[in-house]
Order: sequence, then structure tokens, then C-alpha cells
Amino acid sequence: EAGVAQSPRYKIIEKRQSVAFWCNPISGHATLYWYQQILGQGPKLLIQFQNNGVVDDSQLPKDRFSAERLKGVDSTLKIQPAKLEDSAVYLCASHRGSGGGAWNEQFFGPGTRLTVL
Amino acid sequence: AQKVTQAQTEISVVEKEDVTLDCVYETRDTTYYLFWYKQPPSGELVFLIRRNSFDEQNEISGRYSWNFQKSTSSFNFTITASQVVDSAVYFCALIRGGADGLTFGKGTHLIIQP
Repeated sequence: EAGVAQSPRYKIIEKRQSVAFWCNPISGHATLYWYQQILGQGPKLLIQFQNNGVVDDSQLPKDRFSAERLKGVDSTLKIQPAKLEDSAVYLCASHRGSGGGAWNEQFFGPGTRLTVL
Repeated sequence: AQKVTQAQTEISVVEKEDVTLDCVYETRDTTYYLFWYKQPPSGELVFLIRRNSFDEQNEISGRYSWNFQKSTSSFNFTITASQVVDSAVYFCALIRGGADGLTFGKGTHLIIQP
């Protein structure tokens, strides 16, 4: 079974530029998450999708971050415009459950390391 | 609100020593799940264990063991006879039964010296 795929693996941009990250979850996984991991900290949830609907985006800085999951499969996370404090690793995770699936193991992708100069 | 505290930022031991990583959590929910993940230098988070709030049985898997105590809100992880390959950052995490995202601790960087 293929794992969670993410691209690009690394990205360097200037502040105020835009950037987009892509995630392809494990086939058949209904729930998808985006996490932000700042250096030296644990991952922090940004947004959770169930199929193509948003379940929780309470911690997403909506003035600059946006995410979508068209057709309930792939997802993209966008930052526009980027700030210095957005430098972090952006992790995508998925699990097979839909609704009450907290028990399910989340499978994580390798992450995208973003550096904002 | 939920919170996970891993007070040990970094631990360094010599190979073959036993080491325990501490995890203390806070939650108001009665149904919740606790996890441990390993993050090697490659960066990908690797699932190790999960427990639900109603199951306080300790678990052993090879050299790994976990001690879950609701009375002290702790879910500690012990590696017996540590090996260099165990070197990584280890995260404790919690998720409530309502199926939102994981709340992670800040992680413990474990260094196993040969």
C-alpha cells in the first residue's frame, strides 16, 4: 500500500510571496489533515477534512492560509502572502475512518519544509 | 482544551541502557485516545502505539513498553536495552472521541550513544 505523498519536499520563498503544497492521501482514506510543525515543536493541526468537507479549521489563519480537497481525494494547502513565521514543516496525514474515527491511526506523509526569507 | 506535556526536551543515554520518556496530558473528555509517534531524522512520523481512555492495561511490544495511568494522567514510554536506531524525536499525542486532530506534545529528542 502506497503511503501519503506530499510535494514539494522543500520550498524556499521570499516573504509576501505565495506558495502551495500538495497532498495525496492513502487510497480510500476519508479523513485528511494538515499539520504545521515549527522547528522544535510538535505538529499543530491546521485543518481537517472528511471526504471533501471541512470538519475543523479553527486553527487555520484564514487571512493567509487556505485549503481545499476537491473530489475528496487530493488536497492543496496555500499560503498567500507568506510571512517569516510560516517557516515550518507542513505535514499531511490521513486515516480510513469517517465520523467517529478518532481511534484510527493517522498515517503521515514526509512533509514539505518551507523556508520564508 | 487539551494539552500534552513532555517535560524532557532531550535525553542522552548510552546504548543498552533503559530509558523512559514521560508524557502528561490534560483533557476534560471522558473518551479520548493516546498515541506515541516516532520521528526519525528523515522527518516522517511513525505510529508506535495507541490506547483508549477505558483501557489502562500496560502494553509491551518487544523492547518497547507503555504505562498508562489515568490517576496521574500519564502515558509513559520505556525502551529497554536501547539501540542507536532508537535515536529520534518521540511525540506523545492525544485525540478526543469527537474525532478532531491530534494534540501533540513538544517531543523528546532521544539520543542513543554507541
